[in-house]
Amino acid sequence: KQEVTQIPAALSVPEGENLVLNCSFTDSAIYNLQWFRQDPGKGLTSLLLIQSSQREQTSGRLNASLDKSSGRSTLYIAASQPGDSATYLCAVGGTASKLTFGTGTRLQVTL
Amino acid sequence: EAGVTQSPTHLIKTRGQQATLRCSPISGHTSVYWYQQALGLGLQFLLWYDEGEERNRGNFPPRFSGRQFPNYSSELNVNALELEDSALYLCASSSPWTARTNEKLFFGSGTQLSVL
Repeated sequence: KQEVTQIPAALSVPEGENLVLNCSFTDSAIYNLQWFRQDPGKGLTSLLLIQSSQREQTSGRLNASLDKSSGRSTLYIAASQPGDSATYLCAVGGTASKLTFGTGTRLQVTL
Repeated sequence: EAGVTQSPTHLIKTRGQQATLRCSPISGHTSVYWYQQALGLGLQFLLWYDEGEERNRGNFPPRFSGRQFPNYSSELNVNALELEDSALYLCASSSPWTARTNEKLFFGSGTQLSVL
């Protein structure tokens, strides 16, 4: 059974800092890995999708890496802004289109 | 282009009642997924529908059921509601299944179900 863990559970940083969010998973037989953002009481917004054959994906200030063999992914956010404050979820794509989610990292970017 | 839409946004029920949640996927998407996000438990996979058929089911009791209509919209039904069913229910959709490895899900804003 796939298990996804995200560390830290919560993080507070001052504006402008670069930061790294971590995701680990127990079963390396994955199709892909996605990073989502969730704002309070809202649905999820897909940030980055990495296929199992890829090592990283970039979008603007965001960079996600994937190391399947070690069961790890990181989300790097450069020059953080208050608008980045949200919960970030990592989700591993397995068979039959099922995503297994981590419990998320709650990020607060302060002025 | 409209995103995934869910209704109602909030639903209040009492124990033992039935709840019906609705989801309209993005135009052109044929797959619909349901997830439950209970407080402190994270997102749990509930159901996946594709082309009108149930393709996969998470570890939930049979009182959680659903269907997908010919226009690809979907309904989630929860019978005999229990207090622990209180959660945010998220629906997602994706484009037609091809290589089985390229799924990118688009989520709706969810239905907040409260069971009193």
